[in-house]
Amino acid sequence: EDQVTQSPEALRLQEGESSSLNCSYTVSGLRGLFWYRQDPGKGPEFLFTLYSAGEEKEKERLKATLTKKESFLHITAPKPEDSATYLCAVTGTASKLTFGTGTRLQVTL
Amino acid sequence: ETGVTQTPRHLVMGMTNKKSLKCEQHLGHNAMYWYKQSAKKPLELMFVYNFKEQTENNSVPSRFSPECPNSSHLFLHLHTLQPEDSALYLCASSRDGDEQFFGPGTRLTVL
Repeated sequence: EDQVTQSPEALRLQEGESSSLNCSYTVSGLRGLFWYRQDPGKGPEFLFTLYSAGEEKEKERLKATLTKKESFLHITAPKPEDSATYLCAVTGTASKLTFGTGTRLQVTL
Repeated sequence: ETGVTQTPRHLVMGMTNKKSLKCEQHLGHNAMYWYKQSAKKPLELMFVYNFKEQTENNSVPSRFSPECPNSSHLFLHLHTLQPEDSALYLCASSRDGDEQFFGPGTRLTVL
C-alpha cells in the first residue's frame, strides 16, 4: 500500500526565514509526486509534479526536489502570503493518488 | 467559468434529508474524482470516473451515490447521512490520470 508521511506537522517562520518541508513516501512504481497548496476552506491548488529522482522544479519562492525516498519543498525568504497547508501526494502503478496529512505553514512579520 | 466549480459551497442537512453536490470542470479533462477531507486526516478518495465510467469505488457507504452524466459533470447524491460524514467534499479532474485540479469544495455539516 502506498504511503506518504509529511513533516513537520506545523511550522512557524518569520518573514525571510528560509526552511524546508519534508515528504517521505513508499510507492509501488512511482509515476509522479505532486505538491499542492491549500488555503483554509478552499480546495488544493496544484504546484508541482516531479517524476524521477534528481528532478527539481521552481516557482517563485518555492523549489521542489525529489529523491528515491523523499521530496523536499524548499521555501526561500517566505512572505506572510505563503502561509497555507502544503500537501504532498504520490501516484504509482495503481494510478491512485495517495496524500499525506500536510504541513501547516505560518509566516509572520 | 474556468477550472473546477462546485455547488453549493456550504450545506447543512439533517440525517433524514436527501441532497446533492454538483461539480463541473471546464478543462476538457476525461477523469473526475470525489474526495472527502476531514480534520487531521489525509484526503480520502471516494470515487473515480473516467470517460463517464466509474473506475473506482473506494469502499464508500451506499448512502453516498455518485452520478456522472458526461465528462464535464459529476454529482454526489447524499441520503440518510450520519454526523461523522460532516467534512469538506472536494471534486477534482485530470487528463489521463496526470496532475489533478481541485474545486473549492463543499463544506457539509450533518446535524
